[in-house]
Amino acid sequence: NAGVTQTPKFQVLKTGQSMTLQCAQDMNHEYMSWYRQDPGMGLRLIHYSVGAGITDQGEVPNGYNVSRSTTEDFPLRLLSAAPSQTSVYFCASSRGEGLNEQYFGPGTRLTVT
Amino acid sequence: LAKTTQPISMDSYEGQEVNITCSHNNIATNDYITWYQQFPSQGPRFIIQGYKTKVTNEVASLFIPADRKSSTLSLPRVSLSDTAVYYCLARTWGYGGSQGNLIFGKGTKLSVKP
Repeated sequence: NAGVTQTPKFQVLKTGQSMTLQCAQDMNHEYMSWYRQDPGMGLRLIHYSVGAGITDQGEVPNGYNVSRSTTEDFPLRLLSAAPSQTSVYFCASSRGEGLNEQYFGPGTRLTVT
Repeated sequence: LAKTTQPISMDSYEGQEVNITCSHNNIATNDYITWYQQFPSQGPRFIIQGYKTKVTNEVASLFIPADRKSSTLSLPRVSLSDTAVYYCLARTWGYGGSQGNLIFGKGTKLSVKP
């Protein structure tokens, strides 16, 4: 099993550009989530999904969109990147719900200039 | 709203027991408390999870008092490889969608010295 995979590993965007961060898992987990990690702030939940076709907002959802068309994939879209979205983004998945053991991907380091 | 608070950093020596406490107010009475470990340039990794009293696995113990306003992660006989950042995770209700919102603490950076 590959576990949770994320692409790309690194990305530089200009303000106003859009992009999609990819996340996939091969463990047939129902729950998937996106976090951002900033220095001194820990991890903050952006969006999560409890199954295909179902998504919900976390603590910091503004500026991000998600969709879940399959169990395996959970892409995160930045519609119009801003410097405040410079961060490391982690995708995670778990069986059932988010308080169960979550498996994290390796992260995407995004810089918006 | 729930909030989780942890010490920013801790120092220890190899072979010592390390206890890291997380304060978490306003968590649901039937939710688990979960702890993660993170090494530089990696995603967090699950360590242990508990609901009340004491839970032990092969790497750590977790103590949760009856009032559940805090939890303590205990690492027995730490080694240099335990140098990492440790996060507690709890859930708050009232915002964040149908499953509430998962709140990570800001992390405790543990440095283990020889």
